[in-house]
Amino acid sequence: GAVVSQHPSWVICKSGTSVKIECRSLDFQATTMFWYRQFPKQSLMLMATSNEGSKATYEQGVEKDKFLINHASLTLSTLTVTSAHPEDSSFYICSSYRLGGGGDTQYFGPGTRLTVL
Amino acid sequence: QKEVEQNSGPLSVPEGAIASLNCTYSDRGSQSFFWYRQYSGKSPELIMFIYSNGDKEDGRFTAQLNKASQYVSLLIRDSQPSDSATYLCAVVGTNAGKSTFGDGTTLTVKP
Repeated sequence: GAVVSQHPSWVICKSGTSVKIECRSLDFQATTMFWYRQFPKQSLMLMATSNEGSKATYEQGVEKDKFLINHASLTLSTLTVTSAHPEDSSFYICSSYRLGGGGDTQYFGPGTRLTVL
Repeated sequence: QKEVEQNSGPLSVPEGAIASLNCTYSDRGSQSFFWYRQYSGKSPELIMFIYSNGDKEDGRFTAQLNKASQYVSLLIRDSQPSDSATYLCAVVGTNAGKSTFGDGTTLTVKP
């Protein structure tokens, strides 16, 4: 499958600081990437759809001013958690979306585990 | 009703047996269906996708789709302890690209 990288793989920060997570699509250019959050023993929750060259589309209940998404190139999307608080501690996973001959597929990055103290 | 529902699990099978994982979805216009495997603490990895009614086989894995019944399943033959993981069903509906995930079914394969 296609390769998607995320950086950092884990981060610990103090409450009130901002954290930036990078997601790179290494095998293909992705006009669309997705950001998910996953709490322990729960399924993936879609946070937003990142569109290259335009504003991200946020899911209901996700604060766009808190979770800033930038998709400046066809291979890079970033998620910045601003003024992080302990309740933002979670596993953040991005995916790149590819339209192929047989249909559309998502490829997930390895995830970033955020711990806010 | 959830958009994508999976067996609540956990599911436990002996090594070498067939594991059957089930998923139903509510959006009748859904076009693409995916099964992901997620090990604890790791990101999901794609196992199979299926778009057409019927069966699709890949090694020990078989995905089955029945759009009339809005049902998709994953069979794992000759289950191995390394198959122990949470299996997520994902459905792409009429909103192109966006996947809706089920809550997952945890499978344990006992040696």
